[in-house]
Amino acid sequence: AQTVTQSQPEMSVQEAETVTLSCTYDTSENNYYLFWYKQPPSRQMILVIRQEAYKQQNATENRFSVNFQKAAKSFSLKISDSQLGDTAMYFCAFTEGLDSNYQLIWGAGTKLIIKP
Amino acid sequence: GAVVSQHPSRVICKSGTSVKIECRSLDFQATTMFWYRQFPKKSLMLMATSNEGSKATYEQGVEKDKFLINHASLTLSTLTVTSAHPEDSSFYICSARDRGVGNQPQHFGDGTRLSIL
Repeated sequence: AQTVTQSQPEMSVQEAETVTLSCTYDTSENNYYLFWYKQPPSRQMILVIRQEAYKQQNATENRFSVNFQKAAKSFSLKISDSQLGDTAMYFCAFTEGLDSNYQLIWGAGTKLIIKP
Repeated sequence: GAVVSQHPSRVICKSGTSVKIECRSLDFQATTMFWYRQFPKKSLMLMATSNEGSKATYEQGVEKDKFLINHASLTLSTLTVTSAHPEDSSFYICSARDRGVGNQPQHFGDGTRLSIL
């Protein structure tokens, strides 16, 4: 069975610093998708970044980038120049496919606090 | 972008009341919608997968008769918590997948905070 592990329950950094959130997963599939979602205090689930396993290039979205290590089954999220608005729960998620009924497998989440 | 509207956002009601939560895809058709429950400071727990025109697929441990799901159209799925009790108090979130667009992730509603007194 696929699993997603986030080993950091909580992290805090100063504003403008860079922070890396870790995520590892387990699967026997060769093609799959990985996501980082952000859930601020408002409880909305916001897609931050996605990575297709068949792409070797790490995904980047402005200040957010990932370090995807397929062999190690690792998918960490780096937030550069952190801002107060980045304070939120961050969830790593995995899915085998984006069609039909493929489910998202969720990590336990990391609470990120950006301090002024 | 694709928008999922979830209503109501907040419900407070007495024990024994049945509560209906709606999940609508506003600008796309969703063959499949997902219902999640989230406990405080915890991750999302999938309750059931809702399929348009057919019975929902429930996860192990989720009571079908307790959490009734109806997905009667391509833009609407409803979750009814029947005879709700305080232990049903939680945050419920739905998500939907655009059937017309491949290779796209789920789109989430803003969630419903249910409090049973």
